[in-house]
Amino acid sequence: KAGVTQTPRYLIKTRGQQVTLSCSPISGHRSVSWYQQTPGQGLQFLFEYFSETQRNKGNFPGRFSGRQFSNSRSEMNVSTLELGDSALYLCASESGRGAETQYFGPGTRLLVL
Amino acid sequence: GESVGLHLPTLSVQEGDNSIINCAYSNSASDYFIWYKQESGKGPQFIIDIRSNMDKRQGQRVTVLLNKTVKHLSLQIAATQPGDSAVYFCAETNTGNQFYFGTGTSLTVIP
Repeated sequence: KAGVTQTPRYLIKTRGQQVTLSCSPISGHRSVSWYQQTPGQGLQFLFEYFSETQRNKGNFPGRFSGRQFSNSRSEMNVSTLELGDSALYLCASESGRGAETQYFGPGTRLLVL
Repeated sequence: GESVGLHLPTLSVQEGDNSIINCAYSNSASDYFIWYKQESGKGPQFIIDIRSNMDKRQGQRVTVLLNKTVKHLSLQIAATQPGDSAVYFCAETNTGNQFYFGTGTSLTVIP
């Protein structure tokens, strides 16, 4: 089975711009979670989607949004980028059938200038 | 809110020695735990998991121990190798819908 894929792998944006990141989960997985990782911080949970519905949400401002498509692929969008949004954005997929292993993609490294 | 913490932010071990990485969690209702390894520039990689109905689980060179009484999780790596150098995260969940991660322990293996 192919693993979790994320595109793009690297991205440079300027303040005020918006960005869309994409995640394709493992085939058959219906849950996709997004995380932000910055130096010195742990993984901070953004949101989780299951069957095209946002099931859980972390404590991030409304500039961070996401969606999931019928094929379970997910996108996250960050509008009005700030310097502090520079981070590694990780998505993880799991079956969605309760407490199961989350498998991570390689991440998208976003740099905001 | 949830709190998953690691006792030591960094750990250095000699090649060939055993490594022990610890993790404390605060939610006594957590029923599933995972250890991840993250190498520089990569996403976290699943190492081993354990459910709350178990105290110990072994994999290849790795063992996870769960002490529910004190809400403590540990990862033991036998015969640590240079390729084991990475940041290790523990994660917990009590519903399967959201995982909570520790800040990570950086393991350095000295040749």
